[in-house]
Parts: sequence; structure tokens; C-alpha cells
Amino acid sequence: KQEVTQIPAALSVPEGENLVLNCSFTDSAIYNLQWFRQDPGKGLTSLLLIQSSQREQTSGRLNASLDKSSGRSTLYIAASQPGDSATYLCAALAGGTSYGKLTFGQGTILTVHP
Amino acid sequence: NAGVTQTPKFRILKIGQSMTLQCTQDMNHNYMYWYRQDPGMGLKLIYYSVGAGITDKGEVPNGYNVSRSTTEDFPLRLELAAPSQTSVYFCASIPTLSAGSYEQYFGPGTRLTVT
Repeated sequence: KQEVTQIPAALSVPEGENLVLNCSFTDSAIYNLQWFRQDPGKGLTSLLLIQSSQREQTSGRLNASLDKSSGRSTLYIAASQPGDSATYLCAALAGGTSYGKLTFGQGTILTVHP
Repeated sequence: NAGVTQTPKFRILKIGQSMTLQCTQDMNHNYMYWYRQDPGMGLKLIYYSVGAGITDKGEVPNGYNVSRSTTEDFPLRLELAAPSQTSVYFCASIPTLSAGSYEQYFGPGTRLTVT
């Protein structure tokens, strides 16, 4: 059974800092890994999706990396802004005949202070 | 496209009542999913469907039922509401497996309280 863990559970940083959020998974036979953002009381917004054959994906100030062999993914946020404050979730899609089922981590709550 | 839509946005139920959470997608996606998210937690899969007429259980199916009579709609039924079902419910969909990316599209959620 796939288990996904995110560290840290919460992170508070001053504006302008670069930061890294960590995601680990127990079953390395994944098809892809997806990072989401969730604002309080809101739904999920997809940030980045990394296929198993890829090492990283970039979108603006966000960069996500994937190391299947070690069961780890990181989300790097450059020059953080107060608007980046949210909960960040990672989710791993198992390979094989998993029918697109994602296993989610519990999330990292990020607070960026002005 | 409206994407994935869910109704209602909020609902308060008494213990033992029943209700149906509606989910509709207009992207012609074959695969649809129901998740629940408890406070401070990630999402857990309740049920999923790979096409009209085909459904299967996820990680936490007890207390719920689903049906899939059309490609667009995937309603979730709570028969006898219990306080443990207080949660936020998300519906999601993806294209067919041949589409390649398997990126999931999520609805805005239904916040359910059972008292």
C-alpha cells in the first residue's frame, strides 16, 4: 500500500526566502507525482505534475523534482511572497492498473510573513 | 467548459438522514472519483468509476454508495448520515488512460456537517 508523507507539517518564513517542501513515498513504482495548492476553505489547484520518466518540472517560481529511486519529491519555491501562503499537497499515482488513483500526503501549511 | 462542478457547496445533516452529493463534468472524462478530506488531513478515496455503469470501492467506502449512469454525472449517496462523515468532499475526473498525463481535475468541494 502506497504511503505518502510530507515534511514539515508547517513552515513559516519571511517574505523573499527560498524554500523547499518535501514529499516521500513508499512505493517507487509510481506513474507520476502531482503537487497541489489548497487555500483555506477552498478546493485544490494543480501546480505541477511530474511524469515518472521526468526529473523535474518548472512553472514560474516553482520547481518540482522527482527521485523515484529514493522515493522523494521536492517542491522548491523561489523568492516567496505572502500570496504563496497556503497548504501544499503532494499526491503519488501508482503505476500499473491503478485506474488513476492518487495517494495524498497530509500537506504542508506554508505561511509567508510580509 | 465549466470543468468539474459540485452541488451543494454546504450542507448540514442530522444523524440518520440521507442525501446525495452531485458531481458533473463537461470534459467527456471517463474516469471520475470521490474523495473526502478531514480537517488537517490529505484526501482519501471513497469510490471511483472508469466509465458509465462501472464503479469500484476506494480506501474508505463504508457508509457511501455511488452510481454512474452517464459519462457526465457521478453522484455520491449517504444513506444514514453519521458524525464521522463530517468532512469536505471532493469530486475529480481525468481523461481516458490513453490521454497520457493522468492529471486530475477537481471540483470546488462540498462541506458536510452531520450533527
